[in-house]
Amino acid sequence: EVQLVESGGGLVQPGGSLRLSCAASGFTFSSYAMSWVRQAPGKGLEWVSVISTSGGTTYYADSVKGRFTISRDNSKNTVYLQMNSLRDEDTAVYFCAKGVSGSYYKTFDYWGQGTLVTVSS
Amino acid sequence: DIQMTQSPSSLSASVGDRVTITCRASQSISTYLNWYQQKPGKAPELLIYAASSLQSGVPSRFSGSGSGTDFTLTISSLQPEDFATYYCQQSYSTPITFGQGTRLEIK
Repeated sequence: EVQLVESGGGLVQPGGSLRLSCAASGFTFSSYAMSWVRQAPGKGLEWVSVISTSGGTTYYADSVKGRFTISRDNSKNTVYLQMNSLRDEDTAVYFCAKGVSGSYYKTFDYWGQGTLVTVSS
Repeated sequence: DIQMTQSPSSLSASVGDRVTITCRASQSISTYLNWYQQKPGKAPELLIYAASSLQSGVPSRFSGSGSGTDFTLTISSLQPEDFATYYCQQSYSTPITFGQGTRLEIK
């Protein structure tokens, strides 16, 4: 059974940093691209970042580019999101999501339960 | 960036109704279009990928169609568990973008 478990969310002040983790199990982690998607309270879904199977290729939404860094450790079956210079508008539930294989890696067939990040003074 | 526009934003319907939700892309995305269902407090779930392919385990009352810029999600006979918010998403290019969502409510 595929499982994605996020952790690391919490309350942080504006300008602060936080690192989210997503532990994966139930599939060959190193064979799939992984993404982070967020959802502000009461709002829709916003894609944040994607990382390739090896970690050598990453993409970011303009809203987080230069502030967030996605990475992965295939030996630990874990994907990370390092978030720096946090702003009020980064407040959201952050989901990690598994990409479908091959050229459909931007399609998400499994999602974690999400972790809440609150940016507030 | 490719903009995704869903209509309607909200919809009231009854159990047994046939419902259609539309999604329009700001440029052609071939069939790189997915549909997700999200219930309150839960993660989204993939329903339809590549515009018309039913994800494993999803009931056959869900179907998708379209290509290019115009797409539809149809639920043939609404069940109580289908009342949720539905999102389309383009997987044609980065940045990956979602529609604003369609909230399906019980009439």
